[in-house]
Amino acid sequence: EDQVTQSPEALRLQEGESSSLNCSYTVSGLRGLFWYRQDPGKGPEFLFTLYSAGEEKEKERLKATLTKKESFLHITAPKPEDSATYLCAVDAGGTSYGKLTFGQGTILTVHP
Amino acid sequence: EPEVTQTPSHQVTQMGQEVILRCVPISNHLYFYWYRQILGQKVEFLVSFYNNEISEKSEIFDDQFSVERPDGSNFTLKIRSTKLEDSAMYFCASRRGGGTEAFFGQGTRLTVV
Repeated sequence: EDQVTQSPEALRLQEGESSSLNCSYTVSGLRGLFWYRQDPGKGPEFLFTLYSAGEEKEKERLKATLTKKESFLHITAPKPEDSATYLCAVDAGGTSYGKLTFGQGTILTVHP
Repeated sequence: EPEVTQTPSHQVTQMGQEVILRCVPISNHLYFYWYRQILGQKVEFLVSFYNNEISEKSEIFDDQFSVERPDGSNFTLKIRSTKLEDSAMYFCASRRGGGTEAFFGQGTRLTVV
């Protein structure tokens, strides 16, 4: 069974204090790993797709990296508006038609 | 920028009633999905739909659930006889092809009383 585990469950940072979020996964075969941002009461908002180990993607203060067992979302000099829940999801490929398996998310709070 | 649109944003229904949740996926996408998120829990897969038929469904998606793409733009989720435990946020998603990113709607909050 495909599994995705995110840590920590919650992270509180001061504005400007850089940190990383972790996503560990166990899948039969990885077609893609996805990072989403979710604001309260809203749908997941797409951030990044990573397909193979060693791949990195960047967008503003966020950088996502991928190894064979885990992915990291690095947040550099965060601002209060980066506060949200960050979700990791995997597409295990195989016979699935793009079904995503999600982790439970990391709730990020950035204080001014 | 194209987006997935869901209606209504909030639906309150009595236990045992039928509800239909509506979605307009992004127009050139081929794969359509419904997910749900119970308050405080993970986003869970319900069903995928491709080429006008269900391609995969989870254990949650039992005989009380059905999906339909009645025309070229709408994608609906029907719950035939709602239970209290069906209360959740329901998200529609679509993607262009396998392995590409899925785009999610803003969700319908279903409250069963």
